[in-house]
Amino acid sequence: DAGITQSPRHKVTETGTPVTLRCHQTENHRYMYWYRQDPGHGLRLIHYSYGVKDTDKGEVSDGYSVSRSKTEDFLLTLESATSSQTSVYFCAIREIRDRRRGGYTFGSGTRLTVV
Amino acid sequence: DAKTTQPNSMESNEEEPVHLPCNHSTISGTDYIHWYRQLPSQGPEYVIHGLTSNVNNRMASLAIAEDRKSSTLILHRATLRDAAVYYCILGLLGGGADGLTFGKGTHLIIQP
Repeated sequence: DAGITQSPRHKVTETGTPVTLRCHQTENHRYMYWYRQDPGHGLRLIHYSYGVKDTDKGEVSDGYSVSRSKTEDFLLTLESATSSQTSVYFCAIREIRDRRRGGYTFGSGTRLTVV
Repeated sequence: DAKTTQPNSMESNEEEPVHLPCNHSTISGTDYIHWYRQLPSQGPEYVIHGLTSNVNNRMASLAIAEDRKSSTLILHRATLRDAAVYYCILGLLGGGADGLTFGKGTHLIIQP
């Protein structure tokens, strides 16, 4: 499995503060993704990256920004956290070298609570 | 992305086979059928994928209809650890550059 870790695993923050979540991978995969998951919904794509400094918006990108200055790190920033951004955030990487596995490996998630 | 339709929930007994259906009537010729599952408090994990032929791996089997408009994920002998949300997703092998599109999936309940 691709080594993929998310940090922090849990965070409580106040409305209006900036928050940065980190996704780190150890296997030099080109594609990385940030999803959020809310009760009653499947995962929804926030932003994705297809290389260093190459990023694009997903379905629910408003209020979020991302950066990828190194292959191994993909950062998700909430510019000014709001209660509607309380969610579980998942990072994923896309593997294209092992075609038996279908392609995606997900991190364990970051549970973010905005109070 | 092509859409899929899955039942909201299904219930089965431990040690019995489970058949999870997925309808995808607008599938394109290049779409693979991917199945992922999400155990409680975890990220999604890969289960199986296929294009036209039935597929087997150590976790499950995937049966694909001849016209490819539907498929069935088969867990041959369910255990309590198989209780999860199962997602049926269409896309290129490895997905597109813009990631997988998740629906709400099927919540599988396993009774002891």
